[in-house]
Amino acid sequence: QKEVEQNSGPLSVPEGAIASLNCTYSDRVSQSFFWYRQYSGKSPELIMSIYSNGDKEDGRFTAQLNKASQYVSLLIRDSQPSDSATYLCASIPRRSGYSTLTFGKGTMLLVSP
Amino acid sequence: EAEVAQSPRYKITEKSQAVAFWCDPISGHATLYWYRQILGQGPELLVQFQDESVVDDSQLPKDRFSAERLKGVDSTLKIQPAELGDSAMYLCASSLGDSRVEQYFGPGTRLTVT
Repeated sequence: QKEVEQNSGPLSVPEGAIASLNCTYSDRVSQSFFWYRQYSGKSPELIMSIYSNGDKEDGRFTAQLNKASQYVSLLIRDSQPSDSATYLCASIPRRSGYSTLTFGKGTMLLVSP
Repeated sequence: EAEVAQSPRYKITEKSQAVAFWCDPISGHATLYWYRQILGQGPELLVQFQDESVVDDSQLPKDRFSAERLKGVDSTLKIQPAELGDSAMYLCASSLGDSRVEQYFGPGTRLTVT
């Protein structure tokens, strides 16, 4: 079982809608979670980090963490065509003792005008 | 705005040749990472430095890959000899270190081995 799982998509939403991206992880003791946005041919860009249960909001983005269910999600409100990208979920497995990120394969989001 | 610098941005090389990538992390960032990303996959760690010391190179193919960060600032990743399967995006990232674990990526080097 891969440590971080994401649906590869694509997830298609119309402009102005809420996009919901989901991620599950297998390492129960993981403490730190991140969402990166990656445009085609570009490098990952950090958009959200979350460390405790609950919601964390930043502009149009909300990250949600549920450690009991080992589930992380990213909500994008008022989706724009410029949000079309691959969204990578990542965690830092505590077992490693280091700060190495373990990534999922990413979910492609397509926002249609 | 502080950024991670990488060069070259693109590299085409023939198999069996040597190739090197350079990375300059965000100023003050003690931890530096090299990742490799194959198309359609998430990045996977090759090596992690804390200052000038390697703290994790368990996934680095040491028969052909080497990495150094001699003065604890910039870093070089080398492949010798390159193989067709090494074609990928090579990403450098940095973080402040200690409890500050947010990692910021450079633009990457797209390597094509022919």
